[in-house]
Amino acid sequence: DGGITQSPKYLFRKEGQNVTLSCEQNLNHDAMYWYRQDPGQGLRLIYYSQIVNDFQKGDIAEGYSVSREKKESFPLTVTSAQKNPTAFYLCASSPPGVETQYFGPGTRLLVL
Amino acid sequence: EDQVTQSPEALRLQEGESSSLNCSYTVSGLRGLFWYRQDPGKGPEFLFTLYSAGEEKEKERLKATLTKKESFLHITAPKPEDSATYLCAVPLPDSSGSARQLTFGSGTQLTVLP
Repeated sequence: DGGITQSPKYLFRKEGQNVTLSCEQNLNHDAMYWYRQDPGQGLRLIYYSQIVNDFQKGDIAEGYSVSREKKESFPLTVTSAQKNPTAFYLCASSPPGVETQYFGPGTRLLVL
Repeated sequence: EDQVTQSPEALRLQEGESSSLNCSYTVSGLRGLFWYRQDPGKGPEFLFTLYSAGEEKEKERLKATLTKKESFLHITAPKPEDSATYLCAVPLPDSSGSARQLTFGSGTQLTVLP
């Protein structure tokens, strides 16, 4: 089955720790995105990548980092510099020339 | 300033009670308006894309319409399984101004009571 997978479903972070969220897609989509969603709010763009080995900051990139070494994978690292990391993180992808984005199931990050 | 605003924030309906959700936007040169459905604890599910004023799209009990300043998501005779948060989004310039990315409204949380 084609789709977008995110893991883990729940992630706990300790003070001062970096954590990495996984996002994989087998849809052969070029573009991939990371969003953050806080309760009662819309999605805010963290980073996006249009092609392998290239990515751009979104509206709230501070405290986050990404890599895009493979077309299928776009991991997000939440660094210790992100002081308020508790949120629901969503990964999405879109096919070439189309702005419609398709979302994964999400990862909920909680701080211990 | 380019914005996407959804109203109401929350809506409670009785089963079978039709209503509409609103998404208003302020952007020049609209390049599409997107509707998504999001269930609690899950990722948004794509519903519709509308590209030009006057366009309509339907899926089961949902019909989306578009004018030059807003879009409506009409829900006809809703059922409890239609309960979800409905999000709209439009492509707006990103923080660098070099590309357009989807900018989402805050959503309307719909509850349909049996």
